[in-house]
Amino acid sequence: GEDVEQSLFLSVREGDSSVINCTYTDSSSTYLYWYKQEPGAGLQLLTYIFSNMDMKQDQRLTVLLNKKDKHLSLRIADTQTGDSAIYFCAVSNQAGTALIFGKGTTLSVSS
Amino acid sequence: DVKVTQSSRYLVKRTGEKVFLECVQDMDHENMFWYRQDPGLGLRLIYFSYDVKMKEKGDIPEGYSVSREKKERFSLILESASTNQTSMYLCAISTLAGPDEQFFGPGTRLTVL
Repeated sequence: GEDVEQSLFLSVREGDSSVINCTYTDSSSTYLYWYKQEPGAGLQLLTYIFSNMDMKQDQRLTVLLNKKDKHLSLRIADTQTGDSAIYFCAVSNQAGTALIFGKGTTLSVSS
Repeated sequence: DVKVTQSSRYLVKRTGEKVFLECVQDMDHENMFWYRQDPGLGLRLIYFSYDVKMKEKGDIPEGYSVSREKKERFSLILESASTNQTSMYLCAISTLAGPDEQFFGPGTRLTVL
């Protein structure tokens, strides 16, 4: 079945760049997503990329998509302590009826 | 602003009890979802619904049922709660148009003793 994989933890220092990586098995998703979950809260959409694009930039966030390798990454420039959260990669299932989420990467930012 | 509310933030129940978790949306979105979130396992889809009285099983429907009598309300039911259903439960909604962005509620942390 469809699968989305991401590493579980990432630790960076304040001011550094963070790169969170994700690989997926099914390439039929029209959009690919990054969600952020802050402690004690539900998930919020952070950004998404259309599957025909290679890159999308939104202020400190850069999303890179390599369709050939089925690899999606999220880069956060100048990482702040407020960026500490769990980040989920998500793609649509084959039927287009639901999203499949990775297990989430916990980003820890130290000052 | 999209609003997805869940009936409780924290709930403690005993083994064997019937448990209702409610999710209400104010956006008139067609699709509604129930996930459970567990450490190291991420989000797993329990059930979803794309219309009133319609429901589809997700990846882990065993031990759960759902009800959608009105478009804005989607209920998750644990017929006989067990300790392995202790988890964070998240409700989400999405629309059929455009990117299938999902909007999430704040979650209900359920503890079954």
